[in-house]
Amino acid sequence: DIVVIQSPDSLAVSLGERATINCRSSQSVLYTSNNKNYLAWYQQKPGQPPKLLIYWASTRESGVPDRFSGSGSGTYFTLTISSLQAEDVAVYYCQQYYSTPITFGQGTRLEIK
Amino acid sequence: EVQLVESGGGLVQPGGSLRLSCEASGFTFSRYWMHWVRQAPGKGLVWVSRINSDGSGTSYADSVKGRFTISRDNAKNTLYLQMNSLRAEDTAVYYCARDPGGGGGDVWGKGATVTVSS
Repeated sequence: DIVVIQSPDSLAVSLGERATINCRSSQSVLYTSNNKNYLAWYQQKPGQPPKLLIYWASTRESGVPDRFSGSGSGTYFTLTISSLQAEDVAVYYCQQYYSTPITFGQGTRLEIK
Repeated sequence: EVQLVESGGGLVQPGGSLRLSCEASGFTFSRYWMHWVRQAPGKGLVWVSRINSDGSGTSYADSVKGRFTISRDNAKNTLYLQMNSLRAEDTAVYYCARDPGGGGGDVWGKGATVTVSS
């Protein structure tokens, strides 16, 4: 199984500042035949289902604000929120879908400082 | 509007069974792979199972293999999760999710709550 670990577990950032969440997988999730990283990022607010933010590691889902960006390849990935807004308070998860079982990171709780 | 609506959750005793349903609307259900993902109270997301578009291929997490069965009825636009031999550790909110083509989930239902307790 591919283990996915996020860091940090929690993060407090001031409004308007940058927030960075890291995700590491125990094996590469880069599929060389199509050069795609099988890695997604989700946002989950209390009492709501997860919302897809980023897929293929760096492709923003339609309707997601451009302050959200994803980067990385292979085993190391980053979700960046360039200028934190109050509505970004949530738990963020990365997910690898390179192989089954599909696995999620443990989540990173993002709060306002 | 693209939508997934889960139903069938509830309270069940250990060892019991439950069948969850996920009704899809607003898109061509038969073209998409589908997933079940669960979340225990206060915990993170855990993938449970996946089914391909025509129902001929399935995958399961080890924790549910042999106890849970995923299936679909494309004529009814509905995804199912049959859960047998339920345990306390199966207590969770169960979400169905649409796979846009790769393995992630771009549309999620609001979830169905399953509580396994005596």
